[in-house]
Amino acid sequence: AQSVTQPDIHITVSEGASLELRCNYSYGATPYLFWYVQSPGQGLQLLLKYFSGDTLVQGIKGFEAEFKRSQSSFNLRKPSVHWSDAAEYFCAVGVSGTYKYIFGTGTRLKVLA
Amino acid sequence: EPEVTQTPSHQVTQMGQEVILRCVPISNHLYFYWYRQILGQKVEFLVSFYNNEISEKSEIFDDQFSVERPDGSNFTLKIRSTKLEDSAMYFCASRPLAGAAYTGELFFGEGSRLTVL
Repeated sequence: AQSVTQPDIHITVSEGASLELRCNYSYGATPYLFWYVQSPGQGLQLLLKYFSGDTLVQGIKGFEAEFKRSQSSFNLRKPSVHWSDAAEYFCAVGVSGTYKYIFGTGTRLKVLA
Repeated sequence: EPEVTQTPSHQVTQMGQEVILRCVPISNHLYFYWYRQILGQKVEFLVSFYNNEISEKSEIFDDQFSVERPDGSNFTLKIRSTKLEDSAMYFCASRPLAGAAYTGELFFGEGSRLTVL
């Protein structure tokens, strides 16, 4: 069965530091992969997506993610975190055919001033 | 840019009451979804809908839930007799036909927060 794992429930970084949020998936075929950000009580904002081609994808707000098939990973990175990046981040895999998403459990990011 | 809209943004109801959450998908989209997010937890798939019928549903989507496309624009989620554990954010999503240019993305609304007292 398809699944998404985000091993880090909470991550705390200092403002200006680099960030990497981990995402591993279990899926038989080439997946559609997504990262979303959610501020408290708010909706889901798409940061970036991967569906084919270049394995390094750029997104909004200075985020990027790299698809590594051999590691079944799609880690999110940002070279320099801003205080406004504090939020919950969800990785999701889209299932071919139905295109429904399976979400990970999320990583809550805290940014220290 | 076209967007998915959901109403109400927040609804408070008493346990046992019926609730209808409404969604207006993007106009040329043909596939519709409902997801649920209990506070502090992950987003979970409830149901997908295409061509006026359910394509797939999760085990969460029991007989208390139903979906309907009553007209050409709305897509609704009905909870027949709400329970405390139905308190959650409910997200509607839609997508177009999966042609050659489709990137697999679902387009989400801002969510409807349901509080059951």
